Amino acid sequence: DIQMTQSPSSLSASVGDRVTIACRASQGITNSLAWYQQKPGKAPKLLLFAASRLQSGVPSRFSGSAYGTDYTLTISSLQPEDFATYYCQHLYTFGQGTKLEIK
Amino acid sequence: EVQLVETGGGSIQPGGSLSLSCAASGFTVSSNYMSWVRQAPGKGLEWVSVIYSSGRTYYTDSVKGRFTISRDNSKNTLYLQMNSLRAEDTAVYYCARLTVTPTEWWFDPWGQGTLVAVSS
Repeated sequence: DIQMTQSPSSLSASVGDRVTIACRASQGITNSLAWYQQKPGKAPKLLLFAASRLQSGVPSRFSGSAYGTDYTLTISSLQPEDFATYYCQHLYTFGQGTKLEIK
Repeated sequence: EVQLVETGGGSIQPGGSLSLSCAASGFTVSSNYMSWVRQAPGKGLEWVSVIYSSGRTYYTDSVKGRFTISRDNSKNTLYLQMNSLRAEDTAVYYCARLTVTPTEWWFDPWGQGTLVAVSS
């Protein structure tokens, strides 16, 4: 089975910061990767699919990129509503999650 | 509006059974891949089961033989029958539509989740 390893597991940042979250696949997955945002007590929300395609209604400050087996979610300028936990997903496998907290 | 609403969670003793429902609106369950994903308290997301539009079903190893996914086309509703429940099944259970293309898989939308608590 392909393993998805997210890093870091937690991250502190300030409003306005540029933030990057990484997800590494244990083997090539040809950009078959989605990113989700989850706020406490809420269901996950799809942000991007196919590594870099923005889901309808998601702000353009969210972007995704890929390089080999390494995938990145970038938030260009953090907003207060962006503090949440983020997960990557390939097929039926989710990353461990990255908790983004306010500094 | 595309929406999923889960019901049926609750507290149950180990070894007991529980059935979860997920009512869909805005799209047809039987024409889509539908899945259950769970999240133990304070933990990450874990895929549990999927039913394809063809009716084929798959399960994560830890629930094989204990859980059954099904759907009622007339009610546009997805189900998860959970038997022989264990403490480690304690989680919030989400239903989600799984979109599958030749190269892509993603879960969207998700229901609000329903809590299953297995404890003596």
